[in-house]
Amino acid sequence: GQQLNQSPQSMFIQEGEDVSMNCTSSSIFNTWLWYKQDPGEGPVLLIALYKAGELTSNGRLTAQFGITRKDSFLNISASIPSDVGIYFCAPLEGNEKLTFGTGTRLTIIP
Amino acid sequence: GAVVSQHPSRVICKSGTSVKIECRSLDFQATTMFWYRQFPKKSLMLMATSNEGSKATYEQGVEKDKFLINHASLTLSTLTVTSAHPEDSSFYICRAPSAGGGETQYFGPGTRLLVL
Repeated sequence: GQQLNQSPQSMFIQEGEDVSMNCTSSSIFNTWLWYKQDPGEGPVLLIALYKAGELTSNGRLTAQFGITRKDSFLNISASIPSDVGIYFCAPLEGNEKLTFGTGTRLTIIP
Repeated sequence: GAVVSQHPSRVICKSGTSVKIECRSLDFQATTMFWYRQFPKKSLMLMATSNEGSKATYEQGVEKDKFLINHASLTLSTLTVTSAHPEDSSFYICRAPSAGGGETQYFGPGTRLLVL
């Protein structure tokens, strides 16, 4: 079956630092989504990517869809306290089946 | 905008009992809904695809007799955890795609189940 790996598993950074995380798959996808989840809540969509090589920004967030269509990257610039949470990549299979990566837990050290 | 609700938001039950979790699309119809389970500090794991008017499709390793799914109407899917055990304690989340699918996916707020 498909394998979806996200790294790093966790990050401990200081406020203001930039953050990078990535996701790799054993399968090819046509759509990659990135979500953020706060404790006890459902995930919230951050960025959607539709084309190989595409680079998309949403405020301080930038995501890229890998050329091979098997990976994606998410960067957060100038982190702030509300960035704390778990980030998931979620490639979309067909038009509806969504599988989540293993997650990257972001903690900001005071 | 479109909203998906889940009920209950939290439930505590005794081992051996069954628990029903409801997922409703509030102002749109969803012929398909998806159920996920999330253990603490883990990812959301897809359990099954709920299909209106037909049988659910379960992911590998998910017991269909243990996790009963019913999608009786275009706005309601239910997940029943039968004969619950402490290891079933988890956060259960449903998802309903918009009519157009793609990036527009509506997640329920989740149900936290604790089995004693």
